[in-house]
Amino acid sequence: SAVISQKPSRDICQRGTSLTIQCQVDSQVTMMFWYRQQPGQSLTLIATANQGSEATYESGFVIDKFPISRPNLTFSTLTVSNMSPEDSSIYLCSVRRILNTEAFFGQGTRLTVV
Amino acid sequence: GQQLNQSPQSMFIQEGEDVSMNCTSSSIFNTWLWYKQDPGEGPVLLIALYKAGELTSNGRLTAQFGTTRKDSFLNISASIPSDVGIYFCAGQDKGAQKLVFGQGTRLTINP
Repeated sequence: SAVISQKPSRDICQRGTSLTIQCQVDSQVTMMFWYRQQPGQSLTLIATANQGSEATYESGFVIDKFPISRPNLTFSTLTVSNMSPEDSSIYLCSVRRILNTEAFFGQGTRLTVV
Repeated sequence: GQQLNQSPQSMFIQEGEDVSMNCTSSSIFNTWLWYKQDPGEGPVLLIALYKAGELTSNGRLTAQFGTTRKDSFLNISASIPSDVGIYFCAGQDKGAQKLVFGQGTRLTINP
């Protein structure tokens, strides 16, 4: 397994501001992902965080709104930019050591935009 | 794109009853994963399946990778209060990095 530390665990933010969420893994992993989980819904993949290069975004998500960094094999950040109440969700970091293996999740960041 | 249909969406059972839920896919997967999510927490991996027909247990939980590679089920025997939560299936196509998630099954247990 992997121990994933995600910060902050929750935050209440003003609309128009930005929040950066951090994801730290206890060991090197090949793949890191960011998901959004809206209230009562399933998980939706935002993007794959690529080490040393631009993230790969899913349809409906853009870099200007959700910039992602991944400077090394154990750390990534997701920024939610210019927030609106519609961005209120749980944001989850996920890792996989190598392809075709289990995916593990952080505890999530519960974001409320007011 | 790939879609997962997870059912049922919710279950209300008595403590001690057995539970069964399943996922079906529109395409073939080579990995099936089952997760449980408690309120305010991230999903926790319960069982991972990698071969068609594979049957794997984890305590009172049993999951199977369907022989057609388009479905999987999860059974919970003799349910207890701590089984309450939302269960998600997830599947991965061969060579794909990302997982596709089902809509979730919300389990409620009456003591």
